[in-house]
Amino acid sequence: SYELTQPLSVSVALGQTARITCGGNNIGSKNVYWYQQKPGQAPVLVIYRDSNRPSGIPERFSGSNSGNTATLTISRAQAGDEADYYCQVWDSSTYVIFGGGTKLTVL
Amino acid sequence: QVQLVQSGAEVTKPGASVKVSCKSSEYTFTGYYIHWVRQAPGQGLEWMGWINPNSGGTNYAQKFQGRVTMTRDTSIRTAYMELSRLRSDDTAVYYCARSSYGDYVDGDPWGQGALVTVSS
Repeated sequence: SYELTQPLSVSVALGQTARITCGGNNIGSKNVYWYQQKPGQAPVLVIYRDSNRPSGIPERFSGSNSGNTATLTISRAQAGDEADYYCQVWDSSTYVIFGGGTKLTVL
Repeated sequence: QVQLVQSGAEVTKPGASVKVSCKSSEYTFTGYYIHWVRQAPGQGLEWMGWINPNSGGTNYAQKFQGRVTMTRDTSIRTAYMELSRLRSDDTAVYYCARSSYGDYVDGDPWGQGALVTVSS
């Protein structure tokens, strides 16, 4: 079955750039989605199909996907960006699968 | 703005079943997928499957095949997720979410979540 690997935690200084990775076998051949989840809230889609932002998501959020790694980049990080972030792909055998999640801390 | 309102928290015993409902405030209930995603305390997201309210067609994650049943009642714009043979590790918040897509959850919108506690 297909698996996605994310770092447990990432820290970033206020105003700097955070990069959260999502590893998977030849993930570059798949569409990757990213969700933000704040404590006690439902997830919110922040990137779809590798690099597209839904309406209402700031331009500071961007995504890329190549080879065995997809990356969510958050520029000019703000305190309000502190959250758990999950990557997700669709695979023909496992269907919708989430990564384990990364806790982003803004210092 | 459409809302998905889920049933309330439940406490149930190992071996029993639980049925969580998800009611759409919008008349146009069909035409979208309803995904079910759960989250155990302090853990990550886990996709369980989806139902197409229009056709009643379902797609379940392999892990839950044989234990989960997703249904809908279009007359009252409500989707249901029933999980049987419950174990303590089924304790989680269960979310429903509307999506235009079967391969991801655009979450337009998500339900508020329903906490299911499995305890003897």
